[in-house]
Amino acid sequence: AQSVSQHNHHVILSEAASLELGCNYSYGGTVNLFWYVQYPGQHLQLLLKYFSGDPLVKGIKGFEAEFIKSKFSFNLRKPSVQWSDTAEYFCAVEGSARQLTFGSGTQLTVLP
Amino acid sequence: DVKVTQSSRYLVKRTGEKVFLECVQDMDHENMFWYRQDPGLGLRLIYFSYDVKMKEKGDIPEGYSVSREKKERFSLILESASTNQTSMYLCASSLLLRQARGGELFFGEGSRLTVL
Repeated sequence: AQSVSQHNHHVILSEAASLELGCNYSYGGTVNLFWYVQYPGQHLQLLLKYFSGDPLVKGIKGFEAEFIKSKFSFNLRKPSVQWSDTAEYFCAVEGSARQLTFGSGTQLTVLP
Repeated sequence: DVKVTQSSRYLVKRTGEKVFLECVQDMDHENMFWYRQDPGLGLRLIYFSYDVKMKEKGDIPEGYSVSREKKERFSLILESASTNQTSMYLCASSLLLRQARGGELFFGEGSRLTVL
């Protein structure tokens, strides 16, 4: 069975600070990896995804994530956060065909 | 744009009632999913469907059933609601890709169910 761990439950940053949210997964085979974001009052939406190729993937709004296979990690980064990045962020892994397993989420609060 | 519509944004039901949550997607997606979202637990998969009239159990199917009579519609049914089913329920859909992987999920806005 696949599983996902997000160790940071709540992160508070000031604007312009750098962001790194941790995501580790457990699955022995080939994986697809995702980060989804849920802004306050909105539906979940895809931030970025990794299927294959370059392990450094870029998503919307200046976010990027790096897949490190040896560490089973897919950490999300942004060099300079904005107040509008306040949201809940979910890492997800697709190992078994067609099933996404989500992490418990990280609430990011960016202080103006 | 893909649109996934959940018929009820907020519901309040009593213990033992039967509850129907409806979800419709307008992009001809093969795959549809029902998740529940709880604070600190993230999203947990209840049921999913790859085709009309088929369904598969997710991680937490107990106490739930589903129906997919048409490709665009996927219903979640709570036969006898209980207080521990108070939650946010999210419907999602995705395309069937050649690699048999579901790919990006498109979510509805959620149905917040309170069971008293």
